[in-house]
Amino acid sequence: GENVEQHPSTLSVQEGDSAVIKCTYSDSASNYFPWYKQELGKRPQLIIDIRSNVGEKKDQRIAVTLNKTAKHFSLHITETQPEDSAVYFCAANTGFQKLVFGTGTRLLVSP
Amino acid sequence: DGGITQSPKYLFRKEGQNVTLSCEQNLNHDAMYWYRQDPGQGLRLIYYSQIVNDFQKGDIAEGYSVSREKKESFPLTVTSAQKNPTAFYLCASSMFPAGARNEYEQYFGPGTRLTVT
Repeated sequence: GENVEQHPSTLSVQEGDSAVIKCTYSDSASNYFPWYKQELGKRPQLIIDIRSNVGEKKDQRIAVTLNKTAKHFSLHITETQPEDSAVYFCAANTGFQKLVFGTGTRLLVSP
Repeated sequence: DGGITQSPKYLFRKEGQNVTLSCEQNLNHDAMYWYRQDPGQGLRLIYYSQIVNDFQKGDIAEGYSVSREKKESFPLTVTSAQKNPTAFYLCASSMFPAGARNEYEQYFGPGTRLTVT
């Protein structure tokens, strides 16, 4: 089945720095790669997603890149702010029906 | 915050007892999911359902059971056979038209934290 690996597990940056979180997947048939943000005590929420027919997608300070050949995708956050502190999960669809999630990255942005 | 609700927020049970977690959505979504979240392990799929009266096992279904009698509801029962039931349980729903691939946003409920002693 699909396996999604996520690195790093924790990431500490200073406010204003950039943060990069990387994921790899194993199922070459996967074609949908969402990223979710979970703030402490709250539910996960979708922040950005990408489909395999594009290589990059941006939404303000957030971008996701996808390399289908290497089977990896990354989340980039620029000009980080303290409110970006949260746990971030990547995911990939497998087969027709399921999402498989990475193990999460705890991002801490220090003022 | 509306759309998908879970109850209760906190649940305490004695070992050996079955317990049922509620999940309701009013988003008219086809698909519903149950995930278990443990520290350092991300979200692991327990069961999912694409249509009423049909559901499929996820990656960690042992010790759990579900039903989907209504489109809006997908309750999860944690049975006494589940060896380590203490965890945070998240329900989610999404659009999922018949014949499509799963590439739609999943909307999560607020979760139920279950503690079994």
